[in-house]
Amino acid sequence: KAGVTQTPRYLIKTRGQQVTLSCSPISGHRSVSWYQQTPGQGLQFLFEYFSETQRNKGNFPGRFSGRQFSNSRSEMNVSTLELGDSALYLCASSLTSDRLVYGYTFGSGTRLTVV
Amino acid sequence: GESVGLHLPTLSVQEGDNSIINCAYSNSASDYFIWYKQESGKGPQFIIDIRSNMDKRQGQRVTVLLNKTVKHLSLQIAATQPGDSAVYFCAETYGGSQGNLIFGKGTKLSVKP
Repeated sequence: KAGVTQTPRYLIKTRGQQVTLSCSPISGHRSVSWYQQTPGQGLQFLFEYFSETQRNKGNFPGRFSGRQFSNSRSEMNVSTLELGDSALYLCASSLTSDRLVYGYTFGSGTRLTVV
Repeated sequence: GESVGLHLPTLSVQEGDNSIINCAYSNSASDYFIWYKQESGKGPQFIIDIRSNMDKRQGQRVTVLLNKTVKHLSLQIAATQPGDSAVYFCAETYGGSQGNLIFGKGTKLSVKP
């Protein structure tokens, strides 16, 4: 079956602009999490959604927002881009966020470069 | 805040040798740990997990050891192969759901043929 699909794969934006990244989870998966990966800070949790509801949010400024649609697809938005937002943004999906059953699969990410 | 850390940023081993990648965590409340492998251009790939009620768990060629006394986690890879070359991350979570993971900085494993 198809894996987690993130679009676009690469993106170049100018400082001050906004950007929307998309994540299509594995079919049937209802939970989606987003992470930011940078060389300096590593992998950092952004948000977690389950059935269109945000369940957890990481320690990021309000410029970072996300949402999940009824078909479980998710988007994240970053407004007023800063140079430091350049990163690989990863999405992961799972059937459930139940801690008794692990099943998160990561996509290959969207590489965002802010110039 | 508390975070997961790694002892060695790089590890170079000979093909066929065993590899050991270490990880320290500081949150005593963490009760679920995962090891991931990330190859260039790809997202993290689940390798093996362990819960805090266990000390050891084995998979195919991999073993994870958990020492809660010293808050230490290790990943052992038997008969390391060139295809094992990647960056390895440990991650922890506590309470809540599994979607909120705290990742370590990563260890780069290089396998020499």
